[in-house]
Amino acid sequence: QSALTQPPSASGSPGQSVTISCTGTSSDVGGYNYVSWYQQHPGKVPKLMIYQVSKRPSGVPDRFSGSKSGNTASLTVSGLQAEDEADYYCSSYVGGNVYVFGTGTKVTVL
Amino acid sequence: EVQLVESGGGLVQPGGSLRLSCAASGFTFSSYEMNWVRQAPGKGLEWVSYIGSGGRAIYYADSVKGRFTISRDNAKNSLYLQMNSLRAEDTAVYYCAREVTTIDFDYWGQGTLVTVSS
Repeated sequence: QSALTQPPSASGSPGQSVTISCTGTSSDVGGYNYVSWYQQHPGKVPKLMIYQVSKRPSGVPDRFSGSKSGNTASLTVSGLQAEDEADYYCSSYVGGNVYVFGTGTKVTVL
Repeated sequence: EVQLVESGGGLVQPGGSLRLSCAASGFTFSSYEMNWVRQAPGKGLEWVSYIGSGGRAIYYADSVKGRFTISRDNAKNSLYLQMNSLRAEDTAVYYCAREVTTIDFDYWGQGTLVTVSS
């Protein structure tokens, strides 16, 4: 159960897009369409932003989108806004209701 | 309104034990799978354990297997985590989280801090 690999940081100016990668293996990200993304602001609890690779829960802006290719999943935030500055974590199903999170990416809005 | 409220955290010596509780309200607790997720100070999220809605299906992260035990009491709308043989690396905020679909945690508690130190 090794943590999925994410870049430590990503940044963009307001209105721009930023894409965060989440790299695993064929035993997790590549093996199932169960990849989720969470947003966490400092001192707050995580919030589900994307589930099952590319689906958005009700209330999540359509500026947030997810995709997957092989063993790598991605989260794209389009039209960056100041409130998007946060830590983002991916997570993946590993099998048998065992899960793994990514290492986390701090997104900075310049 | 869905609410998850953790309790039971605190300071414990290495090798000690602690039992965390998570009180659920605002939804039919017995219909949902539940999880514990932890976050060490300044670090990322780490999945700890899963329990099925009926309490029979149970899974653990390798890092806690054999030391932690997850359980639930659907009559009391409560989730538990019994933590034994605690180590310094178990120091973290422990969150309980409701699983709406596989691996999708839609509601989280505010967390309870566990500090393992002598």
